[in-house]
Amino acid sequence: GAVVSQHPSWVICKSGTSVKIECRSLDFQATTMFWYRQFPKQSLMLMATSNEGSKATYEQGVEKDKFLINHASLTLSTLTVTSAHPEDSSFYICSARDWKVNTEAFFGQGTRLTVV
Amino acid sequence: QQQVKQSPQSLIVQKGGISIINCAYENTAFDYFPWYQQFPGKGPALLIAIRPDVSEKKEGRFTISFNKSAKQFSLHIMDSQPGDSATYFCAADAGGTSYGKLTFGQGTILTVHP
Repeated sequence: GAVVSQHPSWVICKSGTSVKIECRSLDFQATTMFWYRQFPKQSLMLMATSNEGSKATYEQGVEKDKFLINHASLTLSTLTVTSAHPEDSSFYICSARDWKVNTEAFFGQGTRLTVV
Repeated sequence: QQQVKQSPQSLIVQKGGISIINCAYENTAFDYFPWYQQFPGKGPALLIAIRPDVSEKKEGRFTISFNKSAKQFSLHIMDSQPGDSATYFCAADAGGTSYGKLTFGQGTILTVHP
């Protein structure tokens, strides 16, 4: 099946700094990728839809200036958590779908962000 | 209206037993219903999925039952194994231009005792 890779798998950063998370579709092109956030023992909540070549669409309540999304190519989307604070500590997961084939969205392995 | 409600929150089953997880939705625009399995520290992995034009789909030990009129669907895991112990999420997709954009249920922590 299609592979979606996230990097890094985990990251620890100091409060006030910015962190970039990459999401790559390795063997297919994804015009749209999705970013989710998951707190411990909770469900996945959609943060934003990342569209190649255009601005991301954010879900209600998600600060677009804090969670910057860039989808510069058909295989790469990045999520930058700016001025991170401890409450931003969470598991961030991306998904991507091969729009040439009618298949399900494939998920990355997730990135554990800890802000200290 | 966008919610997907999942139950139970946790489930304990003996090895060889049947695990049943239920989900209900309100939004009739949903037209794709996948189930995901997630292990700690990993991303969710697709188990099985169904569309509303089918009432049941079976893949190996996993079966989805779908009741369109009741807006409910369920996952049955037959002959449950300790390796099935994980968190299970149902989800729903409205398709169209939003295809791939998933609304998840709250999750069920399944524990299968040997």
